[in-house]
Amino acid sequence: NAGVMQNPRHLVRRRGQEARLRCSPMKGHSHVYWYRQLPEEGLKFMVYLQKENIIDESGMPKERFSAEFPKEGPSILRIQQVVRGDSAAYFCASSPTAGTGLVETQYFGPGTRLLVL
Amino acid sequence: AQKITQTQPGMFVQEKEAVTLDCTYDTSDQSYGLFWYKQPSSGEMIFLIYQGSYDEQNATEGRYSLNFQKARKSANLVISASQLGDSAMYFCAMREGLLTTGNQFYFGTGTSLTVIP
Repeated sequence: NAGVMQNPRHLVRRRGQEARLRCSPMKGHSHVYWYRQLPEEGLKFMVYLQKENIIDESGMPKERFSAEFPKEGPSILRIQQVVRGDSAAYFCASSPTAGTGLVETQYFGPGTRLLVL
Repeated sequence: AQKITQTQPGMFVQEKEAVTLDCTYDTSDQSYGLFWYKQPSSGEMIFLIYQGSYDEQNATEGRYSLNFQKARKSANLVISASQLGDSAMYFCAMREGLLTTGNQFYFGTGTSLTVIP
């Protein structure tokens, strides 16, 4: 049973380019979460999506960042016109049901390390 | 105020000894969950242990146990019989029961544990 898959594992972009990060949740999971980890810091919540719906984007920067989770295919975190401050590890997590089950952990992918030159 | 506080940036422990990693949390909710994750140098986030706010007994998972002191709002991780493979970053996280924030995990800044042979 494959875990959460993320690709690419490492991504290098020049300032002004676009970065696309992909996340395939665990089989049977329909809830996806994106987190960002800056160097020397813990993970910070960005967005929570279900299929075709953004449920909570309270942690997303207002500009340049967007996320989607289409009916078919992986969830995509898109960063337009990247800047050096976007350099971070971006983690995707998934869970099988909605977030009201406290006992339910989120299963994390291996992360994508984004480096902006 | 920080939701999760980890005051030990780095810890050292002798192989086969026990070590305690500190975590305090802040929430006004009565219903919440506390989690510990391990992040080895390879970068993935590995779920270790969970404690619910209503659980009367401390959680245990193999060599991991969670010292839950509700009145003090602390959820320290105890690793017994440390092994070299335990060297990693350790993150404490909390999930609140509030419907408005229950989607996300709040993470601390982590503790880097080094096991000395």
